[in-house]
Amino acid sequence: EDQVTQSPEALRLQEGESSSLNCSYTVSGLRGLFWYRQDPGKGPEFLFTLYSAGEEKEKERLKATLTKKESFLHITAPKPEDSATYLCAVPRGNTGKLIFGQGTTLQVKP
Amino acid sequence: ETGVTQTPRHLVMGMTNKKSLKCEQHLGHNAMYWYKQSAKKPLELMFVYNFKEQTENNSVPSRFSPECPNSSHLFLHLHTLQPEDSALYLCASSLGSGGNTEAFFGQGTRLTVV
Repeated sequence: EDQVTQSPEALRLQEGESSSLNCSYTVSGLRGLFWYRQDPGKGPEFLFTLYSAGEEKEKERLKATLTKKESFLHITAPKPEDSATYLCAVPRGNTGKLIFGQGTTLQVKP
Repeated sequence: ETGVTQTPRHLVMGMTNKKSLKCEQHLGHNAMYWYKQSAKKPLELMFVYNFKEQTENNSVPSRFSPECPNSSHLFLHLHTLQPEDSALYLCASSLGSGGNTEAFFGQGTRLTVV
């Protein structure tokens, strides 16, 4: 069964304390893995797409990496404004149906 | 601003009411989606439309009725809802519906059924 699992469920960091979020997936024939950021009461905001193992993408303090079984979102020297829920998703086959993980809620304290 | 606009942002309705959610995308995309996000649960796909044709119905109860008059507009008609239908309803669009292109989301409609 296609599945996406994110860990940890919640993460508290001090400003400047780097860390990583994990997204493990099981899907037959990966067609892409997507990372989103979601602020409370708002829609998910697209961050990255990764297509193949070994691929990396960066945006400001965020870097996403992909292996054959999981993806990591590395946050370097986070700031309070990075506080949000981070979601990852993979498509099921070619249906357009995105399977989302439960998300990791990140809180960065000043 | 993501290019996907949803209205209204908040909606409170009784179980006997009929209401509609509206979504409009300005990205030139061909696929549009409705998702449901309940507390403590992952986003759940409800419907997929590709070039105005429904290509996926994820076993959604008939009290939710989607309508896609063109590639830029998507509606979700609601009637005789239950309190457990209270959730954040999200619209999204993507260039294609094959799942290998990123989807862009609107800000959502927070629905409360009383």
